[in-house]
Amino acid sequence: GAGVSQSPSNKVTEKGKDVELRCDPISGHTALYWYRQSLGQGLEFLIYFQGNSAPDKSGLPSDRFSAERTGGSVSTLTIQRTQQEDSAVYLCASSSRQGAYGYTFGSGTRLTVV
Amino acid sequence: GESVGLHLPTLSVQEGDNSIINCAYSNSASDYFIWYKQESGKGPQFIIDIRSNMDKRQGQRVTVLLNKTVKHLSLQIAATQPGDSAVYFCAETLGTSGTYKYIFGTGTRLKVLA
Repeated sequence: GAGVSQSPSNKVTEKGKDVELRCDPISGHTALYWYRQSLGQGLEFLIYFQGNSAPDKSGLPSDRFSAERTGGSVSTLTIQRTQQEDSAVYLCASSSRQGAYGYTFGSGTRLTVV
Repeated sequence: GESVGLHLPTLSVQEGDNSIINCAYSNSASDYFIWYKQESGKGPQFIIDIRSNMDKRQGQRVTVLLNKTVKHLSLQIAATQPGDSAVYFCAETLGTSGTYKYIFGTGTRLKVLA
């Protein structure tokens, strides 16, 4: 597509529920990144994909967080048993050259856990 | 630890004036830096970048300055316009690491006064 697409744009969920966040990167971009942005904070790295593999998942906060990427394209970030501290904007970005020259970000998914 | 920070959380400037947004980084090994602009409800947008072998780079109405001696980065916006109102992030990375995982600061909010 023309840009990085994320869905849903907004998600309100009850504490303890599981959620799935989807990212459609720019076609042909091999590198894909997930970041989290809490209110008034900078961007926190979560995980990096090169193709379908994740060489760096060091930013995932806990084992409740997981992500996968299939076909070298779409990625899903799953949060199990959501907690209120998981409330944030989850941003996905893609790049054609492992992030060289910067990423193209999607508009994010705003997750609110109530 | 590694960090990227900003001196001013909020900057207010008169329309038509020049804006200067500052950033300090702590990893002297970082070799690539980017400034992003984030408008409300949108993902960060690439503005300008600079490599560590340069000390200045100019774009359209924007200039980035890099001072490696004191590990300082700045973004200058000439003739600031209302559309420049946004949060600005600096980001650093170690390109030779291969993953281009960026470290972002908390951001500076730029308010343009009419």
